[in-house]
Amino acid sequence: NAGVTQTPKFQVLKTGQSMTLQCAQDMNHEYMSWYRQDPGMGLRLIHYSVGAGITDQGEVPNGYNVSRSTTEDFPLRLLSAAPSQTSVYFCASSYSLSLSGNTIYFGEGSWLTVV
Amino acid sequence: AQSVTQLDSQVPVFEEAPVELRCNYSSSVSVYLFWYVQYPNQGLQLLLKYLSGSTLVKGINGFEAEFNKSQTSFHLRKPSVHISDTAEYFCAVIIQGAQKLVFGQGTRLTINP
Repeated sequence: NAGVTQTPKFQVLKTGQSMTLQCAQDMNHEYMSWYRQDPGMGLRLIHYSVGAGITDQGEVPNGYNVSRSTTEDFPLRLLSAAPSQTSVYFCASSYSLSLSGNTIYFGEGSWLTVV
Repeated sequence: AQSVTQLDSQVPVFEEAPVELRCNYSSSVSVYLFWYVQYPNQGLQLLLKYLSGSTLVKGINGFEAEFNKSQTSFHLRKPSVHISDTAEYFCAVIIQGAQKLVFGQGTRLTINP
């Protein structure tokens, strides 16, 4: 049981390049989400999914795309990277966020620098 | 909209001293409340959570938190801290029935010997 796995752990991009942050979970969780962490701002929700084929926007979705073709995977795409997207990105998953008692599991984080 | 405010961005304390990290939330409906800890260069680990029932919640590593509905607060406490408690702590909230976990800005706890 690997939990929530994020790749890559570190990435440097040039402005305008595209890339995909991968997130996979092996716990059969319905709910998956992406956050970005910036100093003094905590973690802010980018996008989330409540099941395969269903995605929705969070607090800061601009510049990011997501899809959920399988229960296990929830990739985050940066179509044209900007320096403002330099951040630490966390993927998280849970059986169902709105049901009591469900723990939310976080990946180890992906450090992204856009130059 | 729900929001979470952590009242202190940094809290320095001496080893073996007590500590309280403050968290207030705003919501007109019932919520679930969480505290997470993040050690340097690591992901987030759940310390404790309040779902219902007793307002005093005990978590890992000797931490506890008290839910106060009238003051909409969920402060985290530890009676005696250790150097190993140096980390960033995040308060978070879910509105019951919603699908979003909203975080506070974080409090950096520094333990001095």
